[in-house]
This record gives sequence, C-alpha cells and structure tokens, in this order.
Amino acid sequence: TAGITQAPTSQILAAGRSMTLRCTQDMRHNAMYWYRQDLGLGLRLIHYSNTAGTTGKGEVPDGYSVSRANTDDFPLTLASAVPSQTSVYFCASSDSPTGELFFGEGSRLTVL
Amino acid sequence: GQNIDQPTEMTATEGAIVQINCTYQTSGFNGLFWYQQHAGEAPTFLSYNVLDGLEEKGRFSSFLSRSKGYSYLLLKELQMKDSASYLCAVRDGNYQLIWGAGTKLIIKP
Repeated sequence: TAGITQAPTSQILAAGRSMTLRCTQDMRHNAMYWYRQDLGLGLRLIHYSNTAGTTGKGEVPDGYSVSRANTDDFPLTLASAVPSQTSVYFCASSDSPTGELFFGEGSRLTVL
Repeated sequence: GQNIDQPTEMTATEGAIVQINCTYQTSGFNGLFWYQQHAGEAPTFLSYNVLDGLEEKGRFSSFLSRSKGYSYLLLKELQMKDSASYLCAVRDGNYQLIWGAGTKLIIKP
C-alpha cells in the first residue's frame, strides 16, 4: 500500500526560484499537514488542512503556500526560495484532526 | 510558551531496558504521542496516551502522568534495530501537536 507519496525525494534549488513539493495520499484521510524538520529542533508545522477546500497556517507559514483542491493532494509551494528554507519536509495525514499521523518519506530540499 | 523536553541522546546495551522521558508544558492537554524515526526515514507511530497510566504494546510501553506533565517510553529487550530517534508530541488544548526535538537512542552490542 502506498500511503503517502512525496515528490521529489531530494532537490537542490537556487535562491529566488520557486518550487512545489507534491504530496498524495490514498487513505482518504481528511486531515493533511506539512512539517519541516531541522537538526536539533522538533517537527514544525508549516500549514495544515482539516478537510478538502480548507487550509490553515501552522507555526512557520511564512514563505510557503498550500492548496487542497481534493482529498488526496496537498502540494506545498515555495514562491521564492531562501537558504533558511533548506530542510527536510514531511507531509502527513490523519483520519481526523485528533488522530495519529501517517508520514510520507520526506523531501530533502537544499536552497543555495 | 509551550514546550516539550526530552533528552537529546541516550545509549543502551542490546538486550537491556531503557526509559526515555518526556516532560511537557502546554496550554491544555488532549493526548500524548510517541513516534519512532530511523535515520533518513519518516516518523512512525508507536503509542498514544490520553489517560494516566501505562499502555503496553509488546516490547514497548508508554506511561503518562497528566498532573506531573510527564511521560516515558520504556523499551525492553533492546535490539539493534531499536537504534533510532524517539519523538514525543503533545496535543494541546487547541488540538495542535507540539513536538519535542527527539531523543537519539544508540544501542551498543
């Protein structure tokens, strides 16, 4: 079973360029999330969506945008990348806002 | 502010028992999660506690004391494959997940 699929798995990006990280789930979960994980820090929530058609800002939303056109897809866009956005990005989903999270394999982004 | 504290790194011996502590200060409480994360991989769910007491699941157990803002994850009969980071996360009063930085567990033969 696929669960959550993220793409790309790794990317090097020049500062100022835009980038979309893709996330697709096949579990029909209502809630989806984007986190970034940096060394020495806990997972930090960027944006979330409790159901298709709605999105919300997390702890560190600046410089990122999301959309949730349908249940399965939750892309994360960096409009103009900066070096501080170098991180590992995890997409996650849950069947409810209070349920356990299922994570994708992560996308490692380096901004130079 | 809200915070989750857990040790940065622990070392244990194969076959032994290890306890990883997590203390939290949050605005409200709606459950505590433990996740396992192997290096370079995604976090995977281990346990969930919302009431005080011990939850046992095979070699892993998780304990919660809401009055003390404290939880621990107990790993028994350690195996080399248990070498990983263990993440503690708390759902606050607004149902937002607050994550600790994780405890890197090193298992030695």
